[in-house]
Amino acid sequence: DQQVKQNSPSLSVQEGRISILNCDYTNSMFDYFLWYKKYPAEGPTFLISISSIKDKNEDGRFTVFLNKSAKHLSLHIVPSQPGDSAVYFCAASSFYGGSQGNLIFGKGTKLSVKP
Amino acid sequence: DAGVTQSPTHLIKTRGQHVTLRCSPISGHKSVSWYQQVLGQGPQFIFQYYEKEERGRGNFPDRFSARQFPNYSSELNVNALLLGDSALYLCASSSWDRKNYEQYFGPGTRLTVT
Repeated sequence: DQQVKQNSPSLSVQEGRISILNCDYTNSMFDYFLWYKKYPAEGPTFLISISSIKDKNEDGRFTVFLNKSAKHLSLHIVPSQPGDSAVYFCAASSFYGGSQGNLIFGKGTKLSVKP
Repeated sequence: DAGVTQSPTHLIKTRGQHVTLRCSPISGHKSVSWYQQVLGQGPQFIFQYYEKEERGRGNFPDRFSARQFPNYSSELNVNALLLGDSALYLCASSSWDRKNYEQYFGPGTRLTVT
């Protein structure tokens, strides 16, 4: 049973526009959420994280929004650039029980930014 | 500063054989985690080690084992390889503090079992 779900396998966006990637989770014990970007033949690159006590975290062009009541988070990329084309993974972690090293990943969304 | 390094990059093994994958964490990071990523899926947690002790284990058979050395590098061992073990094996390091969830990944080792 998937605890972290990315229901859109792919997303295509025009350069300069906003990209919105979505993620849903089922485990209410998750207290940290992360987004990773992955290019082919490379490992995932950490982008941005958010604690469950916040509802927004911003870093440059990347903003993550968390809606705890809906168990939903989203990553906004503004403006989108062709170099952002990659697979984006949503991941979650729970500090309690010492399991914070266990990141639970979604299946990923492939973002294509067209010039 | 060097990131997480993994060796080898690619590996081809035959069913029933044994494999050892290696990982060096980011300087200053004391925790290493291992993940398996099969095509079309997100990475799946295998182990986490901190100070040479296993701190977490995912849902993998006993054929999978790991260890961490005094310099915080780590090895992942897989015995009696099956075709289904073909995957990208990722190592991630973290600092083991309140931001332990913030893990940094290496490039991975692509294992093919024939």
